[in-house]
Amino acid sequence: EIVLTQSPGTLSLSPGERATLSCRASQSVSTSYLAWYQQKPGQAPRLLIYGASSRATGITDRFSGSGSGTDFTLTISRLEPEDFAVYYCQQYGSSITFGGGTKVEIK
Amino acid sequence: QVQLQESGPGLVKPSETLSLTCAVSGYSIRSGYYWGWIRQPPGKGLEWIGNIYQTGNTYYNPSLKSLVTISVDTSKNQFSLKLTSVTAADTAVYFCARGFGTMVRGVIGFYFDYWGQGSLVTVSS
Repeated sequence: EIVLTQSPGTLSLSPGERATLSCRASQSVSTSYLAWYQQKPGQAPRLLIYGASSRATGITDRFSGSGSGTDFTLTISRLEPEDFAVYYCQQYGSSITFGGGTKVEIK
Repeated sequence: QVQLQESGPGLVKPSETLSLTCAVSGYSIRSGYYWGWIRQPPGKGLEWIGNIYQTGNTYYNPSLKSLVTISVDTSKNQFSLKLTSVTAADTAVYFCARGFGTMVRGVIGFYFDYWGQGSLVTVSS
């Protein structure tokens, strides 16, 4: 099973700042089959990125994904108030596993 | 607009079977995609349970495979989850979702583009 480790656990930033979230896999993720989701309290996760770098339908270009192999990054270029949430990575190249999440909170 | 809605009992006794149904609207299950279940214990992360295709082909998390059955009813445009012998550790919000399938060296994987709102199931006597 591929274990995904997300860091940091919590990111404290101000609106307008850039957020960089990391997802590291215990082994290489095939064909960069990695997705990112955003989850707000009491809501279902929302797909942001698939294939490591492709934005899902309707997702603003403030969100971008990059990486390959075992190291992946989600970048939010300028934080808006609605971006403060928990973010999960998920690999789907070898069964399916999720990372433990990164909480982006208002500083 | 694709919508998914979970339904089922909110309380299940230990050792009994948890049963949930996901009704899909705005998209026909017969048209494709893989339909799945993911759960989230209170305050914790996400765990994939399994997916099903319209043909009835199923794909399960190996750690849950012996306890899980997912079925589909294309005539009602819905799919269902059964989890047997539940314990308190199965207390979670259960989400249904539409999965986009990918194949790597014969192994299938999914990412999820539409989700239901989630259904909290508590396991307690």
